[in-house]
Amino acid sequence: QKEVEQDPGPLSVPEGAIVSLNCTYSNSAFQYFMWYRQYSRKGPELLMYTYSSGNKEDGRFTAQVDKSSKYISLFIRDSQPSDSATYLCAMMGAGTALIFGKGTTLSVSS
Amino acid sequence: SQTIHQWPATLVQPVGSPLSLECTVEGTSNPNLYWYRQAAGRGLQLLFYSVGIGQISSEVPQNLSASRPQDRQFILSSKKLLLSDSGFYLCAWSHSDKNIQYFGAGTRLSVL
Repeated sequence: QKEVEQDPGPLSVPEGAIVSLNCTYSNSAFQYFMWYRQYSRKGPELLMYTYSSGNKEDGRFTAQVDKSSKYISLFIRDSQPSDSATYLCAMMGAGTALIFGKGTTLSVSS
Repeated sequence: SQTIHQWPATLVQPVGSPLSLECTVEGTSNPNLYWYRQAAGRGLQLLFYSVGIGQISSEVPQNLSASRPQDRQFILSSKKLLLSDSGFYLCAWSHSDKNIQYFGAGTRLSVL
């Protein structure tokens, strides 16, 4: 089983839709969880960072961590064409390397 | 605020030629520095990381090497490029006490 699994998509939604992006992981030692957004031919940009379980909200974005299920999610409300990008989850434990998912490609049509 | 610079943005090199990619960070001291390669469908592959000047850890043995001649400068090199070295190379930094990584804009390398 891979340490971090992420559906590559592509995921296509109309403008204004609620988007749910997800990752599962196998290492119960992971405590820090991140979401990056990567536009085509650009470097990844940190979107959200959460520690341990729970939710974190930032504008239209909500990150959710369920450590009991080893499952993390990123919700995007009122999606915009500018949200079209690849979204990478990443996670780590104390003193461990940062492990990335392979990314989910999202397309929001106007 | 901190910024990371990576250049060049694109590079086309013949097989067998040398390579030097440079990355610098501004606005912080003693950062951890990282080199990744990103291939389509394969995610981010950590190549090298450094916790200080002259300290380099290699994650994947290959045709590449890294050096850190100054605190905020990280260089990725090769003596002779292979076709398989083509890809998107990303530099990243983090604070020394926190592994949240921030990425540069990347270099797209094509070896022909």
